[in-house]
Amino acid sequence: DVVLTQTPPTLSATIGQSVSISCRSSQSLLHSNGNTYLNWLLQRPGQPPQLLIYLVSRLESGVPNRFSGSGSGTDFTLKISGVEAEDLGVYYCVQSTHAPWTFGGGTKLELK
Amino acid sequence: EVQLVESGGGLVQPGRSLKLSCAASGFTFSDYYMAWVRQAPTKGLEWVASISYDGGSTYYRDSVKGRFTISRDNAKSSLYLQMDSLRSEDTATYYCTTEGFDYWGQGVMVTVSS
Repeated sequence: DVVLTQTPPTLSATIGQSVSISCRSSQSLLHSNGNTYLNWLLQRPGQPPQLLIYLVSRLESGVPNRFSGSGSGTDFTLKISGVEAEDLGVYYCVQSTHAPWTFGGGTKLELK
Repeated sequence: EVQLVESGGGLVQPGRSLKLSCAASGFTFSDYYMAWVRQAPTKGLEWVASISYDGGSTYYRDSVKGRFTISRDNAKSSLYLQMDSLRSEDTATYYCTTEGFDYWGQGVMVTVSS
């Protein structure tokens, strides 16, 4: 199975600070069809996850553009340019290039 | 408005069965691969099973193969998860989601305990 390693596991930030989360895969997530199926999710406390970014860098409809995704192959990054209070929660990367789908261990974003 | 509403969870003894349902609305259900994802208490997310548009193809994580069965009824816009021979390690909140993870239900809790 593909292993996704997220770092850091916990991130403390102040409002307005820019932060980045890394997601490294144990194998390339480039599909034979040319797509890279790496998504980013946010799970706020007591809520189901919500999709933020799909196909590495595409912003889901309704998601603020302070969120951005980048990367290729095995290394991916989620960046938040100016953290807001509503951004607090646990961030997960997830891949669906290879079966079985796998999730990263999560990065908890909290206020400093 | 898109909605996915899970039901059927609860407390069950080890070795017994439970069937989860997910009622979809607000989108064309038959256009989407669907999946179940679970989250054990205080833990991360774990994919459980997926099903193709017409139900002709199904996929399972190794730990549930032979015990869980995913199915769908496109006429009713509903997704199901039949869970047999339940174990304590199946205790989790189960989420219904689309394959692209764009839509999620609120989740339903399953507790396996004697």
